[in-house]
Amino acid sequence: DVKVTQSSRYLVKRTGEKVFLECVQDMDHENMFWYRQDPGLGLRLIYFSYDVKMKEKGDIPEGYSVSREKKERFSLILESASTNQTSMYLCASSFSGNTEAFFGQGTRLTVV
Amino acid sequence: QKEVEQNSGPLSVPEGAIASLNCTYSDRGSQSFFWYRQYSGKSPELIMFIYSNGDKEDGRFTAQLNKASQYVSLLIRDSQPSDSATYLCAGGGSQGNLIFGKGTKLSVKP
Repeated sequence: DVKVTQSSRYLVKRTGEKVFLECVQDMDHENMFWYRQDPGLGLRLIYFSYDVKMKEKGDIPEGYSVSREKKERFSLILESASTNQTSMYLCASSFSGNTEAFFGQGTRLTVV
Repeated sequence: QKEVEQNSGPLSVPEGAIASLNCTYSDRGSQSFFWYRQYSGKSPELIMFIYSNGDKEDGRFTAQLNKASQYVSLLIRDSQPSDSATYLCAGGGSQGNLIFGKGTKLSVKP
């Protein structure tokens, strides 16, 4: 079974803190994604990566950066957390374009 | 902007009925389509995928794709209360990502 693991299930951070969300997949998938999900707005793509050290901006990259130093690991970085970044963050991976994505369990981030 | 549109619902059906969920997409280049189920507070899980025009059946679930009309649907037969969830439609994007609709909330009443 594909396993996508996010480092934290719940996080509470203070405004202005630098926040790291980690995601690891164990199926040698090429593509990895970070989404945020908010009520009424659905899943919105923040960044994705189709190879090590490669990254592409999604629909809402502002205020975020990413790192993919190893194929299995994709990190989302909030450079200076703000209250409007309070959300559910979902990591996903897929073998290639146009194939199904598998999701991690999600990280519910609260910025106070 | 490439989009996937779904009726947000809520869609309410009685137990044992057929639930019909619909989705339209704007990117004619999309080749693959996926239906995910998401329970409250949980992450999405894949239940069906379809690449070709026509119907694809898996147990109580049938996915239908009409590329000419840019339309995807999911039928759930013999709906159960455990099917109550939000259903997300997704299409394969040209950059290798999936484009998700906002989801349809389904409620199956006992």
